[in-house]
Parts: sequence; structure tokens; C-alpha cells
Amino acid sequence: NAGVMQNPRHLVRRRGQEARLRCSPMKGHSHVYWYRQLPEEGLKFMVYLQKENIIDESGMPKERFSAEFPKEGPSILRIQQVVRGDSAAYFCASSPLGGASSGNTIYFGEGSWLTVV
Amino acid sequence: AQKVTQAQTEISVVEKEDVTLDCVYETRDTTYYLFWYKQPPSGELVFLIRRNSFDEQNEISGRYSWNFQKSTSSFNFTITASQVVDSAVYFCALSKSNTDKLIFGTGTRLQVFP
Repeated sequence: NAGVMQNPRHLVRRRGQEARLRCSPMKGHSHVYWYRQLPEEGLKFMVYLQKENIIDESGMPKERFSAEFPKEGPSILRIQQVVRGDSAAYFCASSPLGGASSGNTIYFGEGSWLTVV
Repeated sequence: AQKVTQAQTEISVVEKEDVTLDCVYETRDTTYYLFWYKQPPSGELVFLIRRNSFDEQNEISGRYSWNFQKSTSSFNFTITASQVVDSAVYFCALSKSNTDKLIFGTGTRLQVFP
């Protein structure tokens, strides 16, 4: 499967624990995006990364959330000390060099559903 | 400010009916891109189409067609002869030429009954 790969697909965490969500972009794609979908809502942009660089994190909550896209390996979205309001679907997307601003299509993964209990 | 409005929260049709999903966008940019994505019950987001602001030609792909009208800032999506497998939430999205964010509408849930 050459698509955007996300894991885990479903994750349950207790309040105060950490959640780590992983994303491997499509082959040949150098741009990764994370979006959050709250129940019954549309997707909201969180962060845009290229290898080893955060390009735009204007949608990231100021605290507890971080993202990285290392030189080797998948992109990671990390949520520390999770709270019930973090329960959502987190989608990763990728695009080729130039990103969406160059008119490239953004392809999404299957999402990671986080439930905080 | 940029915004995407999908005023139809939920639509129900019977199989073989045609259905149109509305999308109205707001932007001050002259160059922008519009997208449609499908989210079936399994949850993944499936890319359907990308359109740039300079291309107002309507597009048809099988039973799917898209009507882009800059004069009304709309990018509507029509499914002809709907099928049960078309049941999903459909999202319209907008991106500017100088940013890589997609701005999504709130989605339209389409239910097609046999």
C-alpha cells in the first residue's frame, strides 16, 4: 500500500497519559500535515512539517501538543497529559514537493482515533 | 478571511436519485484551490477532486460531476444515479496559493437508501 500510513488506528488513553500518533507519508512526498477532527465537525489544520522542520504550527494548541518529522522515520504527533477534550480523530496527510500551495493534491491517511477515558 | 460553507448538514435520498451537495467559499485571493473529499463510514478520507481558481470548466468523472462558478463562489458536487455505496460524509475544502493549509467545511452527510 503506497498510501499515507497512520498508526495506531485506534488508541485509548487515560487522562494524564501520553498519546503518540505516527504517520508515514506517501512515497516521494516530503510534506506532512496533521489535522484534527472533533466529533461531528470538519477537519481543522494543526501543523505542517517538512523533514526536520516545522513550517507552520499555527493550528497547534500552545501546550501539551508537539509534532516532529525526523530525517529518518515517520512523523510523530505527541499529546502529553491527555484530557477528555483531546478525544478526536487525528488525520495525517502528505503532498509532493511544493505542497498544497503549489496546487498539489493532499492525500490523507485513514486517521487515528484517540479516546481519552 | 477564508471560509467554506456547506449549508446542508444531512441529505437523504433513495437509490438512483440524483443529488447535489453545495459548497460556497469565501476568499480574497485570486489564486486558490478547491477540493472535495469523501469520508465513508470506515472513517478514511478519500480524495475526489482538486480544482484551481483559473479553471472554471466543469468536470465529470463517471457518476460524479462538479460545477465551479466563480461568480457565485460555489463549487457544487453532483452524484448522478446515487448508490448505497455513496453514503458518506463529503467535505469541501479550500487552500490559498501561498499557504499549505486546507480549510474545510463542516461536511454534508449523505445517506442513500436502497
